[in-house]
Amino acid sequence: GAGVSQSPSNKVTEKGKDVELRCDPISGHTALYWYRQSLGQGLEFLIYFQGNSAPDKSGLPSDRFSAERTGGSVSTLTIQRTQQEDSAVYLCASSLMGQQETQYFGPGTRLLVL
Amino acid sequence: SQQGEEDPQALSIQEGENATMNCSYKTSINNLQWYRQNSGRGLVHLILIRSNEREKHSGRLRVTLDTSKKSSSLLITASRAADTASYFCATDVMGYGNKLVFGAGTILRVKS
Repeated sequence: GAGVSQSPSNKVTEKGKDVELRCDPISGHTALYWYRQSLGQGLEFLIYFQGNSAPDKSGLPSDRFSAERTGGSVSTLTIQRTQQEDSAVYLCASSLMGQQETQYFGPGTRLLVL
Repeated sequence: SQQGEEDPQALSIQEGENATMNCSYKTSINNLQWYRQNSGRGLVHLILIRSNEREKHSGRLRVTLDTSKKSSSLLITASRAADTASYFCATDVMGYGNKLVFGAGTILRVKS
């Protein structure tokens, strides 16, 4: 596609439920990143995928958070047993191998945990 | 803790004026980037400056980098109402892989 896409745009869930957020990176981009942005804050790194290498999960805040990337393309971020503090905008970005500095961001998924 | 910190936190100017935002960081970097975000959604990449560069221009944007002071500035000249957005600096920290570390941002409001 022309850009990074994410779905859903908005998600409202109840505390304790699991949610899945999806990211479709730009075709041909081998690097994919997930960030979280709480209200009025900067972006917080969560996880990074690069090709077939093991992902860098150093930013995941707890073991309730996990992500996978299938076939080197689409990625899913899963939050289990959601908590109210998980409410944020979750942003995905991708970049092209060899030009990894410029990251192209999707529109984000706004998650609200009630 | 956040690597980049922007100041001011908020800036309000009249259309046509110049807007200057500053960013400070703490550790050695490979490069520093500026992004714009409208309405709390996706970020748009504006400009990247490498650690061996001191100044870079792109249209109405001018970015400077002072690695001795670990600081950068973003200047938007002849501002327009459409420039109203949040602006973030992000650093590609040495030895930290390809993760970007973002500051909390500057909210710019351009009044017409």
